[in-house]
Amino acid sequence: DVQLVESGGGLVQPGGSLRLSCVGSGFMFSDQHMDWVRQAPGKGLEWVGRSRNDPNRRTTEYAASVRGRFTISRDDSKNSVYLQMNSLKTEDTAVYYCSRSTPGNIEDYWGQGTLVAVSS
Amino acid sequence: DIQMTQSPSSLSASVGDRVTITCRSSQDISNSLAWFQQKPGKAPKSLIYATSSLQTGVPSKFSGSGSGTDFTLTISSLQPEDFATYYCQQYKSYPFTFGPGTKVEIK
Repeated sequence: DVQLVESGGGLVQPGGSLRLSCVGSGFMFSDQHMDWVRQAPGKGLEWVGRSRNDPNRRTTEYAASVRGRFTISRDDSKNSVYLQMNSLKTEDTAVYYCSRSTPGNIEDYWGQGTLVAVSS
Repeated sequence: DIQMTQSPSSLSASVGDRVTITCRSSQDISNSLAWFQQKPGKAPKSLIYATSSLQTGVPSKFSGSGSGTDFTLTISSLQPEDFATYYCQQYKSYPFTFGPGTKVEIK
């Protein structure tokens, strides 16, 4: 079965940093695009970014709200994708989900999410 | 960025009702449109991709249609487990964007 498990969430002060991890199992991780999506308390879904599956160059895309502060990376040998979050703001408080996107499909499996709270 | 809108923002319906949710994009996205269902406290669940293709395991009471800028999600006969919030998402161009959601409640 396909599984995605996020970890690394917690409470951090404004201006701080946090790194989220997502481990996948039950599928060929290196073949998939991996996305991060977040949801602020009581709000809708917001796409954060993507790590493409391109084996030659691991390119990434970001939402404007996080570009320059967040970095997505991956380690296919560990079936893992990461979200490095720097210069955190209170408005980054959200549940962060990772999801996989098989080429031609979109975000067909999601993890359970990890809560990031940015507060002093 | 491509803006997504949904209507209605919420609706009340009874078990057995046919329900239709509309999603509109600010630009032509061809058929690069997905639908997700989310229940309180749970991760979103993918229902439909490429406008009308059901994800594996999704029951056929869900259907999607449209192209260009106007899309619909239809639930043919609403069941108790279908009461949730539904989101559309465009993935034609980066950054991908979601609609604001439609909450389907019990009448």
